[in-house]
Amino acid sequence: GQQVMQIPQYQHVQEGEDFTTYCNSSTTLSNIQWYKQRPGGHPVFLIQLVKSGEVKKQKRLTFQFGEAKKNSSLHITATQTTDVGTYFCAGVNYGGSQGNLIFGKGTKLSVKP
Amino acid sequence: GAVVSQHPSRVICKSGTSVKIECRSLDFQATTMFWYRQFPKQSLMLMATSNEGSKATYEQGVEKDKFLINHASLTLSTLTVTSAHPEDSSFYICSARKNIAGARYEQYFGPGTRLTVT
Repeated sequence: GQQVMQIPQYQHVQEGEDFTTYCNSSTTLSNIQWYKQRPGGHPVFLIQLVKSGEVKKQKRLTFQFGEAKKNSSLHITATQTTDVGTYFCAGVNYGGSQGNLIFGKGTKLSVKP
Repeated sequence: GAVVSQHPSRVICKSGTSVKIECRSLDFQATTMFWYRQFPKQSLMLMATSNEGSKATYEQGVEKDKFLINHASLTLSTLTVTSAHPEDSSFYICSARKNIAGARYEQYFGPGTRLTVT
């Protein structure tokens, strides 16, 4: 079945350093979504990427969708302590399915002040 | 934005009893809702897809007779854990799919329900 691999599993950074998490799908995706989950909380939708090669920015966050629509990345510039949490990518392939999200295992980010 | 509520937020029940969890989309209609389970420090695992007015579609390995899903309206889906066992203790999260435009959707998650079976 479809799988979404996400690396790294953990990332510890010093405040002010950059951070990147990567997702790879075993199949071509219709779109990919990114979520942030704070400790003890629920996943919060960050963004959705649909087009091949798409790049979107939200302040210090940059999201990319690969040309083949099988990989994606989230890059945070100059991390802050408020960035702490687990970042999940989730892929969707609408072809032949109900469009359910397949989640990566997440990257847990810790930021040392 | 879009808001999805989930009730209860926490529930403790005895082994052998049943527990019902409600998921509501508060400001939009959701023909499709999803139920996930999350074990500590792990990712979300899809349990089932719930479509309004029809039977839910369960993922492989999920017992449909144990996890009963009802999607009776465009704003409400329920998950009932029947004959609960301690191994059913987990964090259950629902999400509702909101149509944005054409074939584009966004999914919004409820706050989750922490189930503890003693």
